[in-house]
Amino acid sequence: KNQVEQSPQSLIILEGKNCTLQCNYTVSPFSNLRWYKQDTGRGPVSLTIMTFSENTKSNGRYTATLDADTKQSSLHITASQLSDSASYICVVRGGTSYGKLTFGQGTILTVHP
Amino acid sequence: DAGVTQSPTHLIKTRGQQVTLRCSPKSGHDTVSWYQQALGQGPQFIFQYYEEEERQRGNFPDRFSGHQFPNYSSELNVNALLLGDSALYLCASSLAVKSITGELFFGEGSRLTVL
Repeated sequence: KNQVEQSPQSLIILEGKNCTLQCNYTVSPFSNLRWYKQDTGRGPVSLTIMTFSENTKSNGRYTATLDADTKQSSLHITASQLSDSASYICVVRGGTSYGKLTFGQGTILTVHP
Repeated sequence: DAGVTQSPTHLIKTRGQQVTLRCSPKSGHDTVSWYQQALGQGPQFIFQYYEEEERQRGNFPDRFSGHQFPNYSSELNVNALLLGDSALYLCASSLAVKSITGELFFGEGSRLTVL
């Protein structure tokens, strides 16, 4: 069964600190992996998309890594800001025709001043 | 350039009623997908529409149905509402020719509460 597991379930950090969120997946065949940021009550917004051949991709203070061999990804947030408080969702697209998306349950990040 | 727009933003229904949610995709996009997101959970795929046909479907009962119009906008209908249907319903649009690596844009969602 295709699954995406994220850890931790929730995380609290102080403003200015760094943090790393984890994503493990069993989706096969694999096409790409996406990280989304979702503010409370809003729709998800894409942060990065990584294909099989990419192992690091950055978007400002967000850096995603992908290890396709171990089927793991991480999202590193540098110098956190209060506005980073949100749910971060890992999404994996399968490699079959029309590639179904499998969503993780998300990690809720809270940044305190 | 308007992004994905959904309506209504919030609505309250009672058990047994029917609801229709609407979505207009991002300009230039031809594929619309619908997701159900319960509180504290990740989105669950309901179905996807392309060329006015349902192309894929997740594990949702037939009470959930949809439609896509020639202008690519879409509707999600839910009949015989249950308390468990209370959730945020997200619409996402994309371009079929870039179905694998293309960007997926989400709307802000419709928050449905069933009493």
